[in-house]
Amino acid sequence: GAVVSQHPSWVICKSGTSVKIECRSLDFQATTMFWYRQFPKQSLMLMATSNEGSKATYEQGVEKDKFLINHASLTLSTLTVTSAHPEDSSFYICSASQPDGETQYFGPGTRLLVL
Amino acid sequence: AQSVTQLGSHVSVSEGALVLLRCNYSSSVPPYLFWYVQYPNQGLQLLLKYTSAATLVKGINGFEAEFKKSETSFHLTKPSAHMSDAAEYFCAVRAYGNKLVFGAGTILRVKS
Repeated sequence: GAVVSQHPSWVICKSGTSVKIECRSLDFQATTMFWYRQFPKQSLMLMATSNEGSKATYEQGVEKDKFLINHASLTLSTLTVTSAHPEDSSFYICSASQPDGETQYFGPGTRLLVL
Repeated sequence: AQSVTQLGSHVSVSEGALVLLRCNYSSSVPPYLFWYVQYPNQGLQLLLKYTSAATLVKGINGFEAEFKKSETSFHLTKPSAHMSDAAEYFCAVRAYGNKLVFGAGTILRVKS
């Protein structure tokens, strides 16, 4: 149980385009989902916290207009990187927690390369 | 504020040897602590968690960790390393809003 999927697993796009990444909890309802980015050889940095039906809460330094998060249902959250630039190239990982909030379950990640 | 320090960015052990990955935490409230493993180009998999019950926590793949409040530590151990244990390991503490604060990670190398 507690499986989280992400789609796509990797994406290459041109600079200036937008990219949408989906995060789904497959076998449980996730009241909260989290979005992280991970640069090579570094730890995970939390970008934002997403609660179903409400606006996402962004960490300091994360541009909310650039990284649009939507959590429309208890099993789906999306991250849209708008007007992507090469510096946005990274590994994006989502996680989801069950209503008790005790444990986060992570998706397999999405590698984004912006040319 | 909560924080985590992982001592040793790289640890190398021989196959069959003891694995010890160190984690020290700082928390203003009783902590919830986690160990996750990450294989290359994959997400994180939960190994084990401490949530204020038993101080010795057993996880998957033969790993265990002991919560020591007096030392503010939550070190991860495995009696006998296997080649498949080679990966990066992250210690994390739960913070406000159920967020996770991660350590910098420790890459475990297992030599044959």
